[in-house]
Amino acid sequence: AQSVTQLGSHVSVSEGALVLLRCNYSSSVPPYLFWYVQYPNQGLQLLLKYTTGATLVKGINGFEAEFKKSETSFHLTKPSAHMSDAAEYFCAVSRPDRGSTLGRLYFGRGTQLTVWP
Amino acid sequence: EAGVTQSPTHLIKTRGQQATLRCSPISGHTSVYWYQQALGLGLQFLLWYDEGEERNRGNFPPRFSGRQFPNYSSELNVNALELEDSALYLCASSWGLGARTDTQYFGPGTRLTVL
Repeated sequence: AQSVTQLGSHVSVSEGALVLLRCNYSSSVPPYLFWYVQYPNQGLQLLLKYTTGATLVKGINGFEAEFKKSETSFHLTKPSAHMSDAAEYFCAVSRPDRGSTLGRLYFGRGTQLTVWP
Repeated sequence: EAGVTQSPTHLIKTRGQQATLRCSPISGHTSVYWYQQALGLGLQFLLWYDEGEERNRGNFPPRFSGRQFPNYSSELNVNALELEDSALYLCASSWGLGARTDTQYFGPGTRLTVL
């Protein structure tokens, strides 16, 4: 079974500080990797994704993530936090090549980001 | 381009009743997915439909069912509602089987409350 671990259910940073949200996955084969953001009372918005190719992926709103196969990690970063970044962030994986897991995303438990002025 | 739409936004039911949730995918997408986001349980995969067929199902009882229509919109039906079915139900869509990317785009969700 796929599993996704997000270290830290809550992260607080000051406005302008570095944002680092951690995500580790378990899989014998590199999956597809995603980060989504959820604002209060809304659905999920795709921030960025990794499928193949370049391991440093840039997304919307200044976020980026790096796929590290040796560490089975896909941490999300942003150099300078903004008040509008306050939201819940979800890391997710998919395994499009496996029958029983086909089509489904496996999500981490989420990290609530608070940005202090 | 319109995103994934869901209706209703909120739904209040009592135990034992049935709930029907609806989803319209992004134009051109043939795959529709349903997820449950319950407090304390995180996001869990429910169902995947593509081209009118159920392609995969999560670990949910049979009273959770659905269908996909010829226009690729979808319904999720929950029978014999239980209190623990209270959750945000999210629908997502993507290009279908055989597509080079399976990125799922989510709708705003339907908040189901069971009293």
